[in-house]
Amino acid sequence: GAVVSQHPSRVICKSGTSVKIECRSLDFQATTMFWYRQFPKQSLMLMATSNEGSKATYEQGVEKDKFLINHASLTLSTLTVTSAHPEDSSFYICSAAGGRGNQPQHFGDGTRLSIL
Amino acid sequence: GDSVTQMEGPVTLSEEACLTINCTYTATGYPSLFWYVQYPGEGLQLLLKATKADDKGSNKGFEATYRKETTSFHLEKGSVQVSDSAVYFCALINTGTASKLTFGTGTRLQVTL
Repeated sequence: GAVVSQHPSRVICKSGTSVKIECRSLDFQATTMFWYRQFPKQSLMLMATSNEGSKATYEQGVEKDKFLINHASLTLSTLTVTSAHPEDSSFYICSAAGGRGNQPQHFGDGTRLSIL
Repeated sequence: GDSVTQMEGPVTLSEEACLTINCTYTATGYPSLFWYVQYPGEGLQLLLKATKADDKGSNKGFEATYRKETTSFHLEKGSVQVSDSAVYFCALINTGTASKLTFGTGTRLQVTL
């Protein structure tokens, strides 16, 4: 149980394009979804937290207009990297948590984004 | 604020050796504690968890005990395999944070034949 599907797993785009990454909870309702960025050999950096039907809460230093997050339903959240540039190249990982209290997060397999 | 400290890697072990990865935490209240594992090129997988003091989480031969008196949650395995090579993250979720994880920096484990 508690499967989170993230798509695409890898994307290579030209500079200036926008890229959308999808995160789906397949067998549970995700009350909260999280988006992380991970640099090589480093821990995960939380970018934003989103609740279904609400605006995302962004961490300090994360550009809201650059990284658009939509949490349209209890099973789907999307991250759109707008007008991507080479410095946006990274490994992006989503996670989802359901229910109340200290529920564990369940992670997708990540998206390797490369901007040329 | 909350924080998690885990031993720096990389940790290199021979197959069948014993593993301990130290993790200590600082948090108010009664956090839940987790170990996640990340294999190369993948997302994180929940390895085990403990939600209250003296709880022992276990999975796939790994175990960790929630020690409130020492604020620790050390990860142990009696006999590691090459397939255990990965990065291990200790983390906590504190009460009232809506499942927001506080991560340690991760410890890379490399197991050789």
